[in-house]
Amino acid sequence: EAEVAQSPRYKITEKSQAVAFWCDPISGHATLYWYRQILGQGPELLVQFQDESVVDDSQLPKDRFSAERLKGVDSTLKIQPAELGDSAMYLCASSAGLSTGELFFGEGSRLTVL
Amino acid sequence: AQSVTQLGSHVSVSEGALVLLRCNYSSSVPPYLFWYVQYPNQGLQLLLKYTTGATLVKGINGFEAEFKKSETSFHLTKPSAHMSDAAEYFCAVSHSGNTPLVFGKGTRLSVIA
Repeated sequence: EAEVAQSPRYKITEKSQAVAFWCDPISGHATLYWYRQILGQGPELLVQFQDESVVDDSQLPKDRFSAERLKGVDSTLKIQPAELGDSAMYLCASSAGLSTGELFFGEGSRLTVL
Repeated sequence: AQSVTQLGSHVSVSEGALVLLRCNYSSSVPPYLFWYVQYPNQGLQLLLKYTTGATLVKGINGFEAEFKKSETSFHLTKPSAHMSDAAEYFCAVSHSGNTPLVFGKGTRLSVIA
């Protein structure tokens, strides 16, 4: 069964360091999302891509976060510099963009900032 | 703007008892509604979804939910809880097939033997 791949699963870093997360969506899925999930809360959208274009990044803290999907397939989310409040699970999801609206999630990347 | 309210951050039931997790939504257009389950340190897995048609939706693992437009609700139920149902459950809403899901804060389900 096709899955959304994410790496790394766990990342521990010190504040002010740079960190990057990678996501490979299900093959053929044109829409890709990055969500952030703080412990004990629901996922919140950071950025949505349609192919290689950003559709919505209104909730992305652009002073320190960046996201790209250069060839419209896999995607990277970067944080520089990391802050203590960035500790969270970063979830990548993809969808075929059809009428069902279902999102398929990866296992997530858990970030701990010390 | 869309929003989701999940009543009860933690629900505890006995094994074999009815599971009822509550979800109310706010949407200015006909909603697409979803329930996802999340196990510790895992991603989210779709339990069931409502887009159009029959308002009673059946999902995996014996769960079902009913869309009630008049009550703006989409509560999740299961007749008999199993220990393996212990997890975090999230209700989500969107307004089309290609828009982001807006999630509730989640309800943690505990199942007591």
